[in-house]
Order: sequence, then structure tokens, then C-alpha cells
Amino acid sequence: DVQMTQSPSSLSASVGDRVTITCRASENVYKYLNWYQQRPGKAPSLLIYAASTLQSGVPSRFSGGGSGTDFTLTINGLQPEDFATYYCQQNNKIPQTFGQGTKVEV
Amino acid sequence: QITLKESGPTLVRPTQTLTLTCTFSGFSLSTSGVGVGWIRQPPGEALEWLALLYGDDSKRYSPSLKNRFTINKDTSKNQAVLTIINMDPGDTATYYCAHLSIKVVMGAISHAFDVWGQGTMVTVSP
Repeated sequence: DVQMTQSPSSLSASVGDRVTITCRASENVYKYLNWYQQRPGKAPSLLIYAASTLQSGVPSRFSGGGSGTDFTLTINGLQPEDFATYYCQQNNKIPQTFGQGTKVEV
Repeated sequence: QITLKESGPTLVRPTQTLTLTCTFSGFSLSTSGVGVGWIRQPPGEALEWLALLYGDDSKRYSPSLKNRFTINKDTSKNQAVLTIINMDPGDTATYYCAHLSIKVVMGAISHAFDVWGQGTMVTVSP
């Protein structure tokens, strides 16, 4: 299986901060990389697909980058509703594995 | 508008078989280029990808499931069904179904779960 490793596992931030989360794949996944947000007690929601394409309806303060094995999710100007857990997911190979998650806390 | 909802038992005994149903609307699982996925999340843990079912009835499973999982569809009812045999306490989790969005992005076919069900919690306990 392709192992997805996110860093950090958790971070503390304040409203207005710029936050960057990193996701590393154990092998080349090209740009087949998605990012999801999960708020407590809720289902995940899609933020970014194909490494850098913003899902419809997602605020532009979210952006994604990278290719191959190294990817980033950046939130410019953290908002109160952004405190959540973020997951990366590769869809280059079956199983389409998720990272272990990054919790963004106050 | 696409919606999905999972249903099934909340408590099962070890060694029993679990059947979860995903009832959806807003799309049909009878054509290619469409899919439904199953994902689970143990309490306090990360998401785990389980399986995919495409509209052409092709299926993909996580090898780690060791042939315990089966997915099928009932097109007439707009349902996707996940069956897990020989349940174990380690299978305790919230189970989600999700709509698979298949898009061509810069010449490559990208898969992403763009709409999720609310999830259903299943506990495996004697």
C-alpha cells in the first residue's frame, strides 16, 4: 500500500494565521492527491483534488500544491470554522490510502 | 443535488455478518464514470479506505480486508450495499459511503469523494 504521512500531527494556531500542512507519499503519486476537512462529529468534506484544484464552493483561502511525493495544504487567514482535522488521500493506486490526519487547534 | 445516507445495525456480535446499505439520490449507479466508495473511521482514529463500486459494476477492494468485504449495488433502489463477514471488535468504526467524482484534470483521471453520507457507527461487542 502507498503510505501517506502527514506533518505535523497537530498544530496550534490563531484566527488570521497562515497554516501549512505537509503530506508525503511513500512512492510517486503524481498529482493524484486530495485533501479533506473533517469537523468534530461530522463527515469529511472535499477541499482540493488533483493536488491543487479547489473543489466548488470551497473558500479561496485554501490552496494545495506539490506533485510526486510531496504535497502541501495551505490556509491563508485561518477562520474560526477552519479548526478541524485535515486528511490527504492518494488516488493513484488501490487502496486509495489516507494520511493519519492533522488536527488544527486553537 | 447528490445525497447519501448509510443504514444498518449499530451493534453486532463477533463472528456475525454486517450488512450496511447506502441509499443515494442525485445520480445513478447504472452508468460508467460514476462510483460509490466505502470508508471507515475507528473512534478517534484516521480514515480508512475500504472499497469502490463503479457504475459498470467493477469493484475495487483494499487488500488488507482479506476477502471479508463485498460490495454490490441495487440500481432499481439506488443503493450500494457493503457486506462484512466474520466481524471483529477491530471493525468497530463509523462507516461512511461517499459519491466518487471522476474528473479529467490536465489529461489525467482524478478520483475524489465529493459528497459523503453522515456516517453510521457500528460497534462490535459480545
